[in-house]
Amino acid sequence: GEDVEQSLFLSVREGDSSVINCTYTDSSSTYLYWYKQEPGAGLQLLTYIFSNMDMKQDQRLTVLLNKKDKHLSLRIADTQTGDSAIYFCAESLGSGNTGKLIFGQGTTLQVKP
Amino acid sequence: EAQVTQNPRYLITVTGKKLTVTCSQNMNHEYMSWYRQDPGLGLRQIYYSMNVEVTDKGDVPEGYKVSRKEKRNFPLILESPSPNQTSLYFCASSPMGMGANVLTFGAGSRLTVL
Repeated sequence: GEDVEQSLFLSVREGDSSVINCTYTDSSSTYLYWYKQEPGAGLQLLTYIFSNMDMKQDQRLTVLLNKKDKHLSLRIADTQTGDSAIYFCAESLGSGNTGKLIFGQGTTLQVKP
Repeated sequence: EAQVTQNPRYLITVTGKKLTVTCSQNMNHEYMSWYRQDPGLGLRQIYYSMNVEVTDKGDVPEGYKVSRKEKRNFPLILESPSPNQTSLYFCASSPMGMGANVLTFGAGSRLTVL
């Protein structure tokens, strides 16, 4: 069945780069997403990548996709204390937008000053 | 402001006392969904709806009901809550069509069942 796996915790120093990793099992995934959840809030979309792309960059964020290994990563450059949050990887299944997303467990990013 | 609004944000109740968590969106989205978030398990889908009067089970539907009588509203009903339904609940919506599924989430409803 469909499954998305993430490590649960990452701690970095302010100013360092953070790399959050995710693996997924469904090779028919069309889009893969990164959502951010700040304390006491809902999830907000950070970025997404279409499955035929290898990389997407958006300011401090870089998404890398390795379709062969079914591995997705999110790199945050110059990590700030405001980046402390839970980061969820998700995949959408099938063609077109049918609505269904499968989420990972979430990675808690702790940024130390 | 485009948003998904959930109420209540916090609720403590007792086993067996029926409750409803409301969800409303003002973006004219066709798709709406309920998730529960539990530590170490991420988000799991409870029910979803692809349009008015069209609802379907997600991955963990037991103990829940939903309805979609109007496009903007998608309430989550717990007919007889039990302690294992203590969780953080999120409603989300998105437009249908081709392309990425960009969900807009509500702020969450923290439910405790004693």
